[in-house]
Amino acid sequence: KAGVTQTPRYLIKTRGQQVTLSCSPISGHRSVSWYQQTPGQGLQFLFEYFSETQRNKGNFPGRFSGRQFSNSRSEMNVSTLELGDSALYLCASSLQPAADTQYFGPGTRLTVL
Amino acid sequence: QQQVKQSPQSLIVQKGGISIINCAYENTAFDYFPWYQQFPGKGPALLIAIRPDVSEKKEGRFTISFNKSAKQFSLHIMDSQPGDSATYFCAARGGSARQLTFGSGTQLTVLP
Repeated sequence: KAGVTQTPRYLIKTRGQQVTLSCSPISGHRSVSWYQQTPGQGLQFLFEYFSETQRNKGNFPGRFSGRQFSNSRSEMNVSTLELGDSALYLCASSLQPAADTQYFGPGTRLTVL
Repeated sequence: QQQVKQSPQSLIVQKGGISIINCAYENTAFDYFPWYQQFPGKGPALLIAIRPDVSEKKEGRFTISFNKSAKQFSLHIMDSQPGDSATYFCAARGGSARQLTFGSGTQLTVLP
């Protein structure tokens, strides 16, 4: 069974631009969570989607948003990029919300110049 | 607010030695405590997990020790191998939101 896939793997943007990241969960998994990983803050929860609905949201500004499609694929968007948004963005999928086992993708490395 | 504190930040161990990573939590609503292993260029992978109704769980060379009264848990890697060199994250889940809260990570290096 294929794992969680994230595209693109690397992205370079400039301040003020917006970016959209994509995540395809493991087949049959309906819950998708997004995390931001930085050296300074570690892994921080962004949001979780299930059945096209946002279930939980972490403590991030409104510039960070997401959505989930009927096939469980998810996208996250960051508008008006700031230098501090440079990070590894990880997507994790699970069968159900808040399931014990989450499977992480390899992440998208975003660099903001 | 950092709810899961992890130490040490980095750890160097000789091959065959024991690696010990510690975590402490604050939120008594946490009821699930996983450990993740992350290699460079990869996402974190679930290594082993424990619930607070047991004090220890062992899977192969990996053991979690859990002290509910002290609100602490630790990962022990026995007979550490160079292939274990990775970053390890403890995490905790609980409360109404049930999202994972991660520790800051420990970079483990096992010398051959």
